[in-house]
Amino acid sequence: AQSVAQPEDQVNVAEGNPLTVKCTYSVSGNPYLFWYVQYPNRGLQFLLKYITGDNLVKGSYGFEAEFNKSQTSFHLKKPSALVSDSALYFCAVYNFNKFYFGSGTKLNVKP
Amino acid sequence: SAVISQKPSRDICQRGTSLTIQCQVDSQVTMMFWYRQQPGQSLTLIATANQGSEATYESGFVIDKFPISRPNLTFSTLTVSNMSPEDSSIYLCSVADRYQETQYFGPGTRLLVL
Repeated sequence: AQSVAQPEDQVNVAEGNPLTVKCTYSVSGNPYLFWYVQYPNRGLQFLLKYITGDNLVKGSYGFEAEFNKSQTSFHLKKPSALVSDSALYFCAVYNFNKFYFGSGTKLNVKP
Repeated sequence: SAVISQKPSRDICQRGTSLTIQCQVDSQVTMMFWYRQQPGQSLTLIATANQGSEATYESGFVIDKFPISRPNLTFSTLTVSNMSPEDSSIYLCSVADRYQETQYFGPGTRLLVL
């Protein structure tokens, strides 16, 4: 069975500090990996994706994610958090023509 | 990326009634998807809608409850039929890019059933 896990329901970080939002997956084959962000009362916005190549992927708003095949992880990172980064973040996997979404992690960035 | 709009953005409905949600895309796309999301929760795929064919429903979702139309490559509708309070949710439309590997989402329709 294909699955995506986001082990933290919520992540709290102070503005200016680095942030990490964790994601692990369990799928067969070589999946495509994604991060989406959802601001209050909005749809999901695409942040970045990994398909192949360099394990470090850079995306929108200064976010990046690191693909680790041995640990089956795809953690989202940002060197310096902003209050405006506070939102709900979803990790997703595309495999065999289907998307599988994690449960979401609420990121709170405090001034 | 595609620009996707949904109508209505939100609605409050009485139980037993039906609501049709529209999804409009600014470019032609092959695959469109309908999701349901409880506030603050993850997404659940309802069905995949391809132009010119019947929608493909996921386990737990049936056509009688969630009929879908896909009349052309830029438009789709999802109807939530015979609504009950359990149908209160956010309904999201999404499209896949030309390589079918990235999905882009509409702003969602927030539905409250009383």
